[in-house]
Amino acid sequence: GIQVEQSPPDLILQEGANSTLRCNFSDSVNNLQWFHQNPWGQLINLFYIPSGTKQNGRLSATTVATERYSLLYISSSQTTDSGVYFCAVDSWGKFQFGAGTQVVVTP
Amino acid sequence: DGGITQSPKYLFRKEGQNVTLSCEQNLNHDAMYWYRQDPGQGLRLIYYSQIVNDFQKGDIAEGYSVSREKKESFPLTVTSAQKNPTAFYLCASSKGLAGDEQFFGPGTRLTVL
Repeated sequence: GIQVEQSPPDLILQEGANSTLRCNFSDSVNNLQWFHQNPWGQLINLFYIPSGTKQNGRLSATTVATERYSLLYISSSQTTDSGVYFCAVDSWGKFQFGAGTQVVVTP
Repeated sequence: DGGITQSPKYLFRKEGQNVTLSCEQNLNHDAMYWYRQDPGQGLRLIYYSQIVNDFQKGDIAEGYSVSREKKESFPLTVTSAQKNPTAFYLCASSKGLAGDEQFFGPGTRLTVL
């Protein structure tokens, strides 16, 4: 099956810093989503981005499907950005999740 | 409000007992999914359903069963055959199956004692 790798596995940021999270996938995909899992376990949809670039406030994402990667940018990080960020790719109608990037934003 | 509800939020069971987790959605979505998450790991697909009265096994279906008698509901039963059932279980839905955006419920934390 398709392999999804996220990097880095852990990230510690000071409040106000910028960061980039990466998602590599091993095969062509129909679609890709980025999620933020909050401390209570809820998965929050960030981006549905099979290709191109999208922005939502301080967050933006870019997917280059031909090169099989996606990037999530966090700018001016806040403590509420802490949590785990997951990339999930759709392969044959089923989403395959990466292992996630654990982000801690310190005051 | 449209959304996905899961109940209960926390569930404790004795080893050897079957337990059923509830998932309901009022988004009018056709497809529904069950995932399992273990500490520090990503989500793994257990079962999914594209349409009422039809469902398919995911990557880790052994020890689990599902039903899809209504469009809104997709309950998951964790049977005594599941060797390590303690985990966080998440239900999701999407408009269709082929790569549509998935939306998740709040999850159920199951602990088997």
